[in-house]
Amino acid sequence: EDQVTQSPEALRLQEGESSSLNCSYTVSGLRGLFWYRQDPGKGPEFLFTLYSAGEEKEKERLKATLTKKESFLHITAPKPEDSATYLCAVQAAHSGAGSYQLTFGKGTKLSVIP
Amino acid sequence: ETGVTQTPRHLVMGMTNKKSLKCEQHLGHNAMYWYKQSAKKPLELMFVYSLEERVENNSVPSRFSPECPNSSHLFLHLHTLQPEDSALYLCASSQGPAGVTIYEQFFGPGTRLTVL
Repeated sequence: EDQVTQSPEALRLQEGESSSLNCSYTVSGLRGLFWYRQDPGKGPEFLFTLYSAGEEKEKERLKATLTKKESFLHITAPKPEDSATYLCAVQAAHSGAGSYQLTFGKGTKLSVIP
Repeated sequence: ETGVTQTPRHLVMGMTNKKSLKCEQHLGHNAMYWYKQSAKKPLELMFVYSLEERVENNSVPSRFSPECPNSSHLFLHLHTLQPEDSALYLCASSQGPAGVTIYEQFFGPGTRLTVL
């Protein structure tokens, strides 16, 4: 069974205080790992897709990295507008209907204090 | 309209009511999804449609009934719901997987459902 565990559950940072969010996964053949951002009362917003270990992607203050067992979302010099819940999801190498399935973690709620 | 839209945004219904949620995608995708998001739980995939055919039904109770009349529209028909069905219901769309190529899913804003 595919599993995704995100840590910490919640993180409070001072504005400008860099940190990392963790996503550990167990899948039978990873096809892709996705990061999403979700603001309260809204749907998840796509951030990144990572496909293989060693891959990195960046967007503004966010940088996502991938190893064979986990992914990190690094936040450099965060601002209050980065406050949101960050979700990690994996897609495993299943066939048929399973090829559409994303397994999500519970998310990390990030609060950036001015 | 752009992206994925959902209506209504909020819905309060009694246990004996019948209601429907609507989703429309303006991205030209060929796969659509219904998810349930409850507090303190991961997103749960409910249904997947690819090219208007249902390809996934994750043991969802029959009081939830999906309908996909075309590749741009998706409905979730609700009847005789329970209070524990109260949640945020999210619609998403994507290009369907093609061989080893996978595509990200784009989500709508969700419908906040409260069952009294």
